[in-house]
Amino acid sequence: DGGITQSPKYLFRKEGQNVTLSCEQNLNHDAMYWYRQDPGQGLRLIYYSQIVNDFQKGDIAEGYSVSREKKESFPLTVTSAQKNPTAFYLCASSKGSGTSTDTQYFGPGTRLTVL
Amino acid sequence: AQSVTQLGSHVSVSEGALVLLRCNYSSSVPPYLFWYVQYPNQGLQLLLKYTSAATLVKGINDFEAEFKKSETSFHLTKPSAHMSDAAEYFCAVTNAGGTSYGKLTFGQGTILTVHP
Repeated sequence: DGGITQSPKYLFRKEGQNVTLSCEQNLNHDAMYWYRQDPGQGLRLIYYSQIVNDFQKGDIAEGYSVSREKKESFPLTVTSAQKNPTAFYLCASSKGSGTSTDTQYFGPGTRLTVL
Repeated sequence: AQSVTQLGSHVSVSEGALVLLRCNYSSSVPPYLFWYVQYPNQGLQLLLKYTSAATLVKGINDFEAEFKKSETSFHLTKPSAHMSDAAEYFCAVTNAGGTSYGKLTFGQGTILTVHP
């Protein structure tokens, strides 16, 4: 079955530690995205990548970093510089056909809690 | 710039009643509009999308939405609510072309509760 997997489902981190969230897709999509979800705020875009070895900052990139070395993988690192990292993180992908009508397909999410 | 406002963070209906979730958008260029549903602790699933074809868009599970340019609205409706419709719903907008490629702007979400 094609889809997007995120791991782990739950993640706990101590303050001052970096942590990496995994996102893998086997949909052969070119574009991938990371969103942060907080209660009552909808989803906010952290980073996105339209093609391998290229990515752009979204609206709230500070304190986060990404890489896109393979088409199917787009890991997100939450660094110690992120002041309020506790949130639900969602990864998405789309065909990247170059049109804005692309549907974004979402993974199941990772809930990060800073202790 | 583009933005989305969902009127009502919580909506409660009885099973079998009409569901109406409101979404208004702001966009300087023609918009593309999406409705997604999220069940607790899960990712988002696309319900339907408007991409400048028919203004009345039908989606999965008997949901539909109508694009009204004059009202800058894209409200989501379902004739008869089921218990399984209880979830959070998100309206999202992106622009047709321009520099907003791939960027969805989401509303704050509306939690739908369905009472027996």
